[in-house]
Formats: sequence, structure tokens, C-alpha cells
Amino acid sequence: KQEVTQIPAALSVPEGENLVLNCSFTDSAIYNLQWFRQDPGKGLTSLLLIQSSQREQTSGRLNASLDKSSGRSTLYIAASQPGDSATYLCAVSSGTYKYIFGTGTRLKVLA
Amino acid sequence: SAVISQKPSRDICQRGTSLTIQCQVDSQVTMMFWYRQQPGQSLTLIATANQGSEATYESGFVIDKFPISRPNLTFSTLTVSNMSPEDSSIYLCSVDDGYTFGSGTRLTVV
Repeated sequence: KQEVTQIPAALSVPEGENLVLNCSFTDSAIYNLQWFRQDPGKGLTSLLLIQSSQREQTSGRLNASLDKSSGRSTLYIAASQPGDSATYLCAVSSGTYKYIFGTGTRLKVLA
Repeated sequence: SAVISQKPSRDICQRGTSLTIQCQVDSQVTMMFWYRQQPGQSLTLIATANQGSEATYESGFVIDKFPISRPNLTFSTLTVSNMSPEDSSIYLCSVDDGYTFGSGTRLTVV
């Protein structure tokens, strides 16, 4: 049974700092991995999707990497801003568009 | 990408009653998914809904408690039946593009 774990559970950093969020999964037979942002009352926003054949994806200040063999992914956020404060969720799919989600990292960026 | 309208956004309900949550998609989709997020927990898949067939439920979820309808390719409902305080959660729907989710329904059962 696939299990997804995220470390740390919570993180508070000063504005401008670069930071790394970690995600690990137990079954390497994944179709893709996705990072989401969750804001209160606003559902989920997809940030980056990495197919199993890819090693990384980048969007603006965000970079996500995938090491399928070791069951790990990282989300790198450069030059963090207060607007980045949210809960970040990692999720893996086995190919049927349904996801198994991680436990989340609650990020607070202090101005 | 698809756009999902989910209603209601929040509700406070009495124990023993039922609540029906709706998701309307602006385009036709084959599969829709329903998730639950209990307080302090991550999202857990409840069921997959295909048009014209019974929903497929994940382990730990049953049709009597969470009946789902999928009358056409743009609409689905999830009913939370005979509610108890343990059903207080955020419920979200998603579609089969892998990345579009509804805005969620925050349910509080008192």
C-alpha cells in the first residue's frame, strides 16, 4: 500500500529565504507526482507535475525534483515571500488520475 | 483546463441529518473523484464516479454512508448521510485531468 510522507510538518522562515520541502513515498511504481498548494477556503492549486520519466520540473521560483528509485521528491522555493504561506501537499498517482496525498507541510513566511 | 464549481462552500449540520455536495464541471469529463480531508489530516480518496455506472469506493468507505450520483458527464453529487461529528471535514471533488479540484466544502457536524 502506497504511503506518502512529508517533512517537515510545519516550517516558519523569514522572507527571502530559500527553502526545501521533502516528500517520500513507499512504492516507486508511480505514474506521476504532483505538488499542490492548499489555501484555506480555496481548494487545491496544482504547482508542478512530474511524470515518472522526468527528473524535475520548474515554474518560476519553484523547482520540483523526483528520484523515483529512492522514493523521494523535493520542492525548492527560491526567495520566499509572505504570499507563499500555505500548506504544500505532495501526491502520487499510479496512473488512474486518483492521487494518494502526503501529510502536508504548513509553510509560514514572515515579512 | 476544466473549471469546477463546488457547492456549498461550507455548512453546519445537525447530527443524524444528511448533506448533499454538488460539483459542476464546465466541460465533459469521464471520471470524477471525491476526497475527504479530516482536521489536521491529508486528503483521502472516498470514491471514483463514472457516468452511467455505480461509483467505486475505496477501502473504508461505503455507499450507504456516502452515496454518489453521476447523472451526466459534467455533474456529480456526494451525500454524507446520517452525519456524526466525526464527519466534520473538508470534502473536495476533482476530475480526470489530474490537477483540477473544486474549492471544497467545509462541513461541521454539531
